[in-house]
Amino acid sequence: GAVVSQHPSRVICKSGTSVKIECRSLDFQATTMFWYRQFPKQSLMLMATSNEGSKATYEQGVEKDKFLINHASLTLSTLTVTSAHPEDSSFYICSAKDREEASPLHFGNGTRLTVT
Amino acid sequence: GQNIDQPTEMTATEGAIVQINCTYQTSGFNGLFWYQQHAGEAPTFLSYNVLDGLEEKGRFSSFLSRSKGYSYLLLKELQMKDSASYLCAVKDSNYQLIWGAGTKLIIKP
Repeated sequence: GAVVSQHPSRVICKSGTSVKIECRSLDFQATTMFWYRQFPKQSLMLMATSNEGSKATYEQGVEKDKFLINHASLTLSTLTVTSAHPEDSSFYICSAKDREEASPLHFGNGTRLTVT
Repeated sequence: GQNIDQPTEMTATEGAIVQINCTYQTSGFNGLFWYQQHAGEAPTFLSYNVLDGLEEKGRFSSFLSRSKGYSYLLLKELQMKDSASYLCAVKDSNYQLIWGAGTKLIIKP
């Protein structure tokens, strides 16, 4: 089945620094990738939709200058959390889908970010 | 507004059967997905329904009634490893995924 690789799986950083999370589709071309955030015991919250070669579409309430998304190729999207604060600590998950509308999302394994 | 409802938590016994319900009110419908998510891990795809009826896949089955805005996920022969959260998600008329809050399933020996 389709595989999405997300890296790193865990990261601890100091307040004020930036962290980059990579999401790669390994065996299919993902024209669209999605970035989610999940708080403990809560469902997925869509942060932004990333389209290859164009600017990401951010959901209401998500700061685009803080969460920089780049979708440079059909297999790679990155999320950079800039000037991280402790409240940014969360579980970030990327997902990708191939071109067929009926295909399910394929999720990366997630990144546990802890900002100290 | 768009809304997906599923129970917050359910408990079942190992070896038994459990049904997790999902009702939805969305602007349009282009398919319903069920995902399983173990604590601390990303969701994994379980099933997809776009037409009315039952889709069976091993121990798991998913049912859809579009006229009622209703789906259920049926898990048979429950195993301890089935303890997880189960997320219902609906694709609306804009092909946007609307997520339910998830149902935490606790399996007891």
